[in-house]
Amino acid sequence: DAKTTQPTSMDCAEGRAANLPCNHSTISGNEYVYWYRQIHSQGPQYIIHGLKNNETNEMASLIITEDRKSSTLILPHATLRDTAVYYCIVNSGNNRKLIWGLGTSLAVNP
Amino acid sequence: EAGVAQSPRYKIIEKRQSVAFWCNPISGHATLYWYQQILGQGPKLLIQFQNNGVVDDSQLPKDRFSAERLKGVDSTLKIQPAKLEDSAVYLCAGGQGGYEQYFGPGTRLTVT
Repeated sequence: DAKTTQPTSMDCAEGRAANLPCNHSTISGNEYVYWYRQIHSQGPQYIIHGLKNNETNEMASLIITEDRKSSTLILPHATLRDTAVYYCIVNSGNNRKLIWGLGTSLAVNP
Repeated sequence: EAGVAQSPRYKIIEKRQSVAFWCNPISGHATLYWYQQILGQGPKLLIQFQNNGVVDDSQLPKDRFSAERLKGVDSTLKIQPAKLEDSAVYLCAGGQGGYEQYFGPGTRLTVT
């Protein structure tokens, strides 16, 4: 499975959009991009996943570049409760095994 | 629907002692995962079950860790004997074979 690179930390003002980048330049054609987040002292929470097309759900939007080498998770109106570590994971889906990196620690400030 | 249940939430033991963690995934979730998360790192998969069969235990330290899911529902993870480096949060997750995994709150283990 391809590796991902994420910034260690980011800040965002409450009410503004949070844009979290992820680089996955070695992604192969059958690999999906997943995003999870982990709020302090809780288990991780699934956010969204995609293969080629942009995806949107009630939590976030996922923008995948045309060459699929990078993606951006967008939280359109960040709240204090969005403060968490955000993990970008690439996986072929064959065995549902997720390889977790260090993620991006997002701080949403009032 | 009820979430993933884990117990205990916290456990402190001395090295060389044994400890067991319990997990009950969401009803109907055939796939169950145990992860170890050391402070400041992402979760690391220890073992994956499909119903009561092991799918992947390649990263489980089998000399001291064991896990079972006898009836394909709840599961236990055991460490015997514990080492200082086993201090971590142990996370259980379940799924229906799709892309989304549902995690419990975890058990924080401290080995002294």
